[in-house]
Amino acid sequence: GAVVSQHPSWVICKSGTSVKIECRSLDFQATTMFWYRQFPKQSLMLMATSNEGSKATYEQGVEKDKFLINHASLTLSTLTVTSAHPEDSSFYICSEVRGTDTQYFGPGTRLTVL
Amino acid sequence: QKEVEQDPGPLSVPEGAIVSLNCTYSNSAFQYFMWYRQYSRKGPELLMYTYSSGNKEDGRFTAQVDKSSKYISLFIRDSQPSDSATYLCAMGSNQGGKLIFGQGTELSVKP
Repeated sequence: GAVVSQHPSWVICKSGTSVKIECRSLDFQATTMFWYRQFPKQSLMLMATSNEGSKATYEQGVEKDKFLINHASLTLSTLTVTSAHPEDSSFYICSEVRGTDTQYFGPGTRLTVL
Repeated sequence: QKEVEQDPGPLSVPEGAIVSLNCTYSNSAFQYFMWYRQYSRKGPELLMYTYSSGNKEDGRFTAQVDKSSKYISLFIRDSQPSDSATYLCAMGSNQGGKLIFGQGTELSVKP
């Protein structure tokens, strides 16, 4: 069964608004979660590493003030896309790390910014 | 040069065929190798993971790693229409669980 959930699965918003995406670990205390973005027909691009109780680590080129990550508990990480624009429309996927290297992915959230 | 190269396909095969999916990589620091399957509009699902050169089999799936050639493969035997998906290779090097993904190969198995 699923080990990671995301909510919402699909969201449409107006340009300039903010959208929060939740990623929940269902049966594991995840100290580390990752956030990815995936454009159509392309691979997963790592955006940031979410660490429980500390600041997220962002990949080069990802604006930390635009993509706010909060990992306040061992089972929940949130990604907030602030002042969203049409170019932010994408498929956002989170994953949790179990052990040293195995990642389990959420079902993804499709964001469409009008 | 990308760290991980994967033929994006699309690849179309008849039901029952043997499918070979491949990735090459350039970073010799990669220590573990994974294959994920991703259905349309869904998150990736872990299929196989390996740590050493050689073959690992799980049902109809066989993962093969050749570290000397920096080449990994996933073989699917007796392919089924339900195998139609995008297959992503991924590799890591003990950097906090970070993975580098290939572009993904889109596979279609025709009944």
